Formats: sequence, structure tokens, C-alpha cells
Amino acid sequence: SQQGEEDPQALSIQEGENATMNCSYKTSINNLQWYRQNSGRGLVHLILIRSNEREKHSGRLRVTLDTSKKSSSLLITASRAADTASYFCATDEGDFVFGPGTRLSVLP
Amino acid sequence: GAVVSQHPSWVICKSGTSVKIECRSLDFQATTMFWYRQFPKQSLMLMATSNEGSKATYEQGVEKDKFLINHASLTLSTLTVTSAHPEDSSFYICSGRGQGIYNEQFFGPGTRLTVL
Repeated sequence: SQQGEEDPQALSIQEGENATMNCSYKTSINNLQWYRQNSGRGLVHLILIRSNEREKHSGRLRVTLDTSKKSSSLLITASRAADTASYFCATDEGDFVFGPGTRLSVLP
Repeated sequence: GAVVSQHPSWVICKSGTSVKIECRSLDFQATTMFWYRQFPKQSLMLMATSNEGSKATYEQGVEKDKFLINHASLTLSTLTVTSAHPEDSSFYICSGRGQGIYNEQFFGPGTRLTVL
């Protein structure tokens, strides 16, 4: 198993700004997923990007994957207060192991 | 994506009792199921991996006699917390993975266990 590591661990921005979070991993992957978790709640799947993809969009979310650098980024555009949550990346190598997450706070 | 359900969504029990949590894959066959635990403000930590019909593989530091996992069918796995204590209070999340070539894994909504 391997762990994704998110960066930064905490991020505070104003509503309307963009938020960028990064994730790094150590070995080869088949896919990488980003999840959101509101405080005390379950995981919400945001987006999955496969190893042969470089960029993927879903609404205000944009995910990039650079397999040569073993890193991924999640961009949330035009952030809203409702985007306040913890964001995790998870990679696979037989099983998923989550990184510590980025706690995003969007201030109104 | 596929759907995984957990039951119950929350449970409160007395110290010393056992609690069973169910994890079901609703629209796919989960050949592998995973159980995670999450303490407040921390990330999810993998507890164990189970393949249908086989004994679960536990991560280091997880007591297999305390956290009993059964994966008797391709759509159901159960986690039983035996003789629960307050330190077992946590958020327990399961996930299921089918046999797709991309290893896609789908997570349940989690079960919040509070041991008094």
C-alpha cells in the first residue's frame, strides 16, 4: 500500500478565490482519486483520474496528474463557503491509503 | 459511481458490549472490502482488507480478535467491535472494490461509534 500526501495541510481563502491543493505519492499508480469530507461526515467522491490521463474537469473542479513527478493537484475555482471541508487524495497499489488531507476553509 | 451502504450510520453503546457494522455493495460485487477508522481531525487509517470467502488481513497494530471482520458474500462485509471501550469511539468507513481493471474503489458513508 502507499500513501498520498496532501499539501498544504490547511488552507484559508476568501469566497470567490481559487483553491489549489496538491498530492504526492511514491510509486506507480493505476488511478488517483480526490475525496471531500465535511466535518464529522463521510467521504464524498469528487473525481477519479486514471494514470493515462493528464487533466480532468468536473464542474468547478480541475484535477491534473503528473505521473513523472508522481503528483496531482486539485483546483477549486470560484470557491464557496460550502466548499469548506477536508480534501483527501487516495492512490491505489492493491489498496487505497489516504494522505493526511488538506483542511480548506472558505471565508464568506 | 457504484453505491456502498453502511448500517447503522451511528451507534452508541456501553463499554464492554459488542457492536456490528454492516457494509453492503448495492449495485456491484465487491470482491475486496476495506475497513477504515478515522479519529477526529485525522485522516482515514486502513484497518483491514478482506477478500470474499477469505480471512481478513489486518494492518499492523489492529487487533484481529477485537475487530472481527466477515466477508461472507460479494455484497456484504461486517465489522464487529468486540468488548468495545471508549477509546474505540471513532468513525468507521468501509469500501468495496470490484474486479474492474482500474481498481476503482467506492466508499460507504461511514458509521460513527460512540462508546460510553
